[in-house]
Amino acid sequence: GAVVSQHPSWVICKSGTSVKIECRSLDFQATTMFWYRQFPKQSLMLMATSNEGSKATYEQGVEKDKFLINHASLTLSTLTVTSAHPEDSSFYICSALADRESYNEQFFGPGTRLTVL
Amino acid sequence: EDKVVQSPLSLVVHEGDTVTLNCSYEVTNFRSLLWYKQEKKAPTFLFMLTSSGIEKKSGRLSSILDKKELFSILNITATQTGDSAVYLCAVFGFNKFYFGSGTKLNVKP
Repeated sequence: GAVVSQHPSWVICKSGTSVKIECRSLDFQATTMFWYRQFPKQSLMLMATSNEGSKATYEQGVEKDKFLINHASLTLSTLTVTSAHPEDSSFYICSALADRESYNEQFFGPGTRLTVL
Repeated sequence: EDKVVQSPLSLVVHEGDTVTLNCSYEVTNFRSLLWYKQEKKAPTFLFMLTSSGIEKKSGRLSSILDKKELFSILNITATQTGDSAVYLCAVFGFNKFYFGSGTKLNVKP
């Protein structure tokens, strides 16, 4: 099956710094990628939809200036958490859509654990 | 290689039927297994399983984990058209998630 990777898998940073997380589709092209944040009790919150070559679409309540998304190529989307604070500590999970018509073709990355001290 | 495999990939049933979705895994440092329902872009959490043999139940949905045989099943009884969705299984290992490819369930009236 298709593989999506994330880098880094775990990052610890100081409050006020910025952290960049990469999401790559390794063996397929994805014009659309999604960024999720995992909250306690395991719920996944969709943060934004990343479209190659255009601006990301953010969900209501997600600050686009704080969570910068860049989808510069068909295999790479990046999420930069700017001026991170302890409340941003979470698992960030991306997924890549191989088929626009079916969410059965959505492949998830392994997640990135962000810890902000 | 760590992996999660779901079966079947796709399933069509009629309202009132009972369905069983399967999730088998090979993941080192297993911590938990999670089931999600995905109708739109964001999966909705259903269950988290950590112990073998203990059934978790929510309405018409139930799930159980077998850590010896490395699998879990998700049962849906008396299916309704609103159950139509993709059901995702994910295993949390050592600081990593492993998602299955999902089972697409279509419940016809």
